[in-house]
Amino acid sequence: GEDVEQSLFLSVREGDSSVINCTYTDSSSTYLYWYKQEPGAGLQLLTYIFSNMDMKQDQRLTVLLNKKDKHLSLRIADTQTGDSAIYFCAEIWGTPLVFGKGTRLSVIA
Amino acid sequence: EAGVTQFPSHSVIEKGQTVTLRCDPISGHDNLYWYRRVMGKEIKFLLHFVKESKQDESGMPNNRFLAERTGGTYSTLKVQPAELEDSGVYFCASSQSRSGYTFGSGTRLTVV
Repeated sequence: GEDVEQSLFLSVREGDSSVINCTYTDSSSTYLYWYKQEPGAGLQLLTYIFSNMDMKQDQRLTVLLNKKDKHLSLRIADTQTGDSAIYFCAEIWGTPLVFGKGTRLSVIA
Repeated sequence: EAGVTQFPSHSVIEKGQTVTLRCDPISGHDNLYWYRRVMGKEIKFLLHFVKESKQDESGMPNNRFLAERTGGTYSTLKVQPAELEDSGVYFCASSQSRSGYTFGSGTRLTVV
C-alpha cells in the first residue's frame, strides 16, 4: 500500500529557514499536501501541489516536488515561534488522503 | 463560512463503555471523511461518505465502530464497546473536491 515517511523532529532558531522533508511511495499521487497542527487544534491545510508541478511558493512557504525521487519538501523562510507545530505531509491519488507520522517543528527563540 | 465542527472535543470513558462522536461538515460538502491518529502514529483513514452513502469503509478497524450519516448532513461515529487501543484523536474532514479538504479540530478520545 501507499506509504509516506517523514522525520519526526526538527529544531531551528527563530529567523532561520526550516526545511521539512517527506518521501512517498505512490507514483500515481495526484495531489500532495502539507498540513499544520498546532497544540489542541485541528489540521490546517497550509498548501498543496499538483503532481505535474515542481515548485509552489506562497509567501514564506516554498514547496518543492521531485517526482522522480518521490520527495516533497516544505521550506519555511524566517521561521517564527508561531510556526512551532506538527507538520504532516499527505498524498492522494483516488481517496483517501495518506498521511505521514508528522514532523514536530520546535522553534527556539 | 462555518468550518467543520466536531464534538465533543475531549472524551474520557472507561473500557467497555460506548462513545459517540459527531461531525458537522461544511454546508454543501457531499464528501465527509473520518480519520484517526493514535499516539505518535500516522493519521489513518477510517471511512468516506458521499452524501449519506458509505463510499469506502476499508479503514474501519473492526465491527465495534459504526458510522452513520443520515440525510447526508452530519455524521456520527460510535465506538461500542470501547477498548484501550481506541484511544486517539478522531478527525473529521469534508470536501467538495480533492484540493479542498477541511478538517475539524478533532475529538481526543481516552479510554481508561
